[in-house]
Amino acid sequence: AQKITQTQPGMFVQEKEAVTLDCTYDTSDQSYGLFWYKQPSSGEMIFLIYQGSYDEQNATEGRYSLNFQKARKSANLVISASQLGDSAMYFCAMREGTGTYKYIFGTGTRLKVLA
Amino acid sequence: NAGVTQTPKFQVLKTGQSMTLQCAQDMNHEYMSWYRQDPGMGLRLIHYSVGAGITDQGEVPNGYNVSRSTTEDFPLRLLSAAPSQTSVYFCASSSLTSGRETQYFGPGTRLLVL
Repeated sequence: AQKITQTQPGMFVQEKEAVTLDCTYDTSDQSYGLFWYKQPSSGEMIFLIYQGSYDEQNATEGRYSLNFQKARKSANLVISASQLGDSAMYFCAMREGTGTYKYIFGTGTRLKVLA
Repeated sequence: NAGVTQTPKFQVLKTGQSMTLQCAQDMNHEYMSWYRQDPGMGLRLIHYSVGAGITDQGEVPNGYNVSRSTTEDFPLRLLSAAPSQTSVYFCASSSLTSGRETQYFGPGTRLLVL
């Protein structure tokens, strides 16, 4: 069964440093999408980055990059130059297959950026 | 462009009551979905729709109904509320443009069932 695993319940990072949030996935589909979302304490879900399973290059969106290792089934989020405003919950998610549009989410990692 | 809107923001129900959570999007997205988020957990898919007139079940569909009569609207109905349905509900719509897929979320509805 498709599954997303985030093994880090909580992480700390010093301001201006880089941090990697881990995500592994399990699927038998050849075509799928991987996503990261940020959920601040205010509760809204904010899309950060997307990686398609056929994309050969790692996705980047500003300070966010997705370290996609297909053979290892990992899709780690890298945040460079952390800011205090990056403190939030981060969720990894996967869209199964093509046309099914079923998304599954991990349990999240709470990131705290220290001044 | 309002994006994805949800109403109400907060609702208290008594066990057995029914209600409809409203969701609308103005981005002409074909795909819409409903999730629930419980404390300490990620989002779980309740129902989704790939276009007007087409809906399907997600991971936790029991106790909920949906319909999609227009592209814009995707209401979620609680048939007979139970305390186990106390949660935060998110509606989302998705687009796939130039090979880049994005899912936009509404602000959420916090539901308390007594």
